Parts: sequence; C-alpha cells; structure tokens
Amino acid sequence: AQSVTQPDIHITVSEGASLELRCNYSYGATPYLFWYVQSPGQGLQLLLKYFSGDTLVQGIKGFEAEFKRSQSSFNLRKPSVHWSDAAEYFCAVGRLSGGSYIPTFGRGTSLIVHP
Amino acid sequence: ETGVTQTPRHLVMGMTNKKSLKCEQHLGHNAMYWYKQSAKKPLELMFVYNFKEQTENNSVPSRFSPECPNSSHLFLHLHTLQPEDSALYLCASRRAGGDSGANVLTFGAGSRLTVL
Repeated sequence: AQSVTQPDIHITVSEGASLELRCNYSYGATPYLFWYVQSPGQGLQLLLKYFSGDTLVQGIKGFEAEFKRSQSSFNLRKPSVHWSDAAEYFCAVGRLSGGSYIPTFGRGTSLIVHP
Repeated sequence: ETGVTQTPRHLVMGMTNKKSLKCEQHLGHNAMYWYKQSAKKPLELMFVYNFKEQTENNSVPSRFSPECPNSSHLFLHLHTLQPEDSALYLCASRRAGGDSGANVLTFGAGSRLTVL
C-alpha cells in the first residue's frame, strides 16, 4: 500500500528566507505526486503535481518540487517565503484502482512565517 | 457559483440527532469524495463515488451514510454520532479520465462538525 511521510510537523522561517518541506513516499510503481496547501478555514488547494517527465516541477505561488526516485522523495521548495505562505502543507501520493483514483495524504507540515 | 461548495460550514449536533452534510460541484466532474480531517491526523478517505456509483468505502462506521443522487451532488447523512466524530469533513471532486489532469482533486472548504 502507498504511504506518505512528512517528517516535520512544524517549520518556522523568517519572511524572505528560503523554504524546503520534506516528503517521502512509499509506492511500488511510478507514483503520482502532489503538494496541496490548506489555509485556515479552507479546503485544500493544489500547488503542483508530478506524473512523469521533468523531475523538477513548477507550481503556483512560486513553489517548486523535485522528484527523486532514488530517495523516494518529493520535497517542496520556495526561494523566498512571504507571510501569506503561512498555512498547512500536504504531500500526497496517488494511484488508480479499478476506476477510482485514490490519493493518500501525509500528516501535513504547518508553516509559520515570522516577520 | 463555481468550484466545490459545502454546506453547512459549521454544524453542532447531539449524539441522538440526525443531520446531513451537502456537497455540490459545478465543475462537470464525475467522481466525488468524502474525507475526514481530524486534528493531528492525516486526511482519512471515507467514500469515493464514480458516476454516482460507490467505488470505495474505507471501513467507515454505518452511522455515516453517503448518498450520491447525481454526479454534481454528494451527501453525508449523520446519525447517532460520537464525540470522536467531531472533525472537518471535506468533499472533493475530480474529472474522470486517464490523462494527468484527471488525477487532481478539487476540494471544498469543508464542514466543521462538533458532536456534543
């Protein structure tokens, strides 16, 4: 079965600093990988996705992620964090099964941004 | 109205009440999902519907009863809930298809449920 590990429960950065959120997955085949963001009181919004091809993917809001098969990782990065980036970030791995698409989410990493 | 809309946004109910959560999507999607989001836990998949047919039931207790009358609407009927069922219930939808864009879920803002 697929699984996702986000080892950091909380990350604190200063505004303008760089950011890297870690994600490790377990899946037997080539995975579909995603990063979602959840602001307080809101649902999840897709930041970016990887299915195949270029292992460095660009997303919205200046985020990017790199798929590293050898490390089973899909870390999220941003070169300069803004205060509005404070939110909960979820990594997910997905599979197709019998006509259903089943994504499995990690526990999430809470990003705190200091001014 | 566009996107995925969930009502009510907040619900407080007693353990003997019966209530329902509603989800509506205006995206032309064909698959709909219920997730439970509890504090300090990963999102838990509850149910999946494809073209109105239930294709996943993730061992959800029978006190949660889903209904999908058409591809645009999804309900979660609640009865005799327990305090531990208090959580944010998220609805999501996706477009059917085998291309990469079909594997992206669009989420609603959620219904915050408190069981007293």
